Amino acid sequence: EAQVTQNPRYLITVTGKKLTVTCSQNMNHEYMSWYRQDPGLGLRQIYYSMNVEVTDKGDVPEGYKVSRKEKRNFPLILESPSPNQTSLYFCASSPRGRVGTQYFGPGTRLLVL
Amino acid sequence: LAKTTQPISMDSYEGQEVNITCSHNNIATNDYITWYQQFPSQGPRFIIQGYKTKVTNEVASLFIPADRKSSTLSLPRVSLSDTAVYYCLVGAPVNTGTASKLTFGTGTRLQVTL
Repeated sequence: EAQVTQNPRYLITVTGKKLTVTCSQNMNHEYMSWYRQDPGLGLRQIYYSMNVEVTDKGDVPEGYKVSRKEKRNFPLILESPSPNQTSLYFCASSPRGRVGTQYFGPGTRLLVL
Repeated sequence: LAKTTQPISMDSYEGQEVNITCSHNNIATNDYITWYQQFPSQGPRFIIQGYKTKVTNEVASLFIPADRKSSTLSLPRVSLSDTAVYYCLVGAPVNTGTASKLTFGTGTRLQVTL
């Protein structure tokens, strides 16, 4: 089944404790992206990647890191989480040439205390 | 980067046609317009994409005027299961293979009732 998977689905952590949210897709898509979703603010892009070792900033990259060492994986790293990073996070992927037609993962709900 | 504006919410009765408009005044020449549907606690789901004029698929139609500064998602004969948030996305040139920052609007919450 074609899908985007994220882990963990739910995470509670404390300020400053490094964490990683994994994202993996099995559709051989070139484009991958991370979003955060907050009430009243819609979906905001954090980082995106068009290919292995190629990443770029979205609209809200501060406080986040990503890496793209393999085509299928695109982990989101919070080196020192803060309470304002409490949010619902979505990973998405899409094929080269149809970047706008994204497949989204199920989401990761993060709470930073 | 094209910024989009949508109504915050809309209400409709089951069986009616619903039209949701998205404004994107500074859309770039190569930008496409894509609409997504999102149910609570789920990731957004692709509905339809277009560049100009009209596009239709099995679930919706997308109308784009000549100046491309707005677009309208049309849902024919909505049902209760169409209650969701609908997002307009502008960007992502098709078939160029280039990377692109994608900016979603804040979404329109559609409530369908009997």
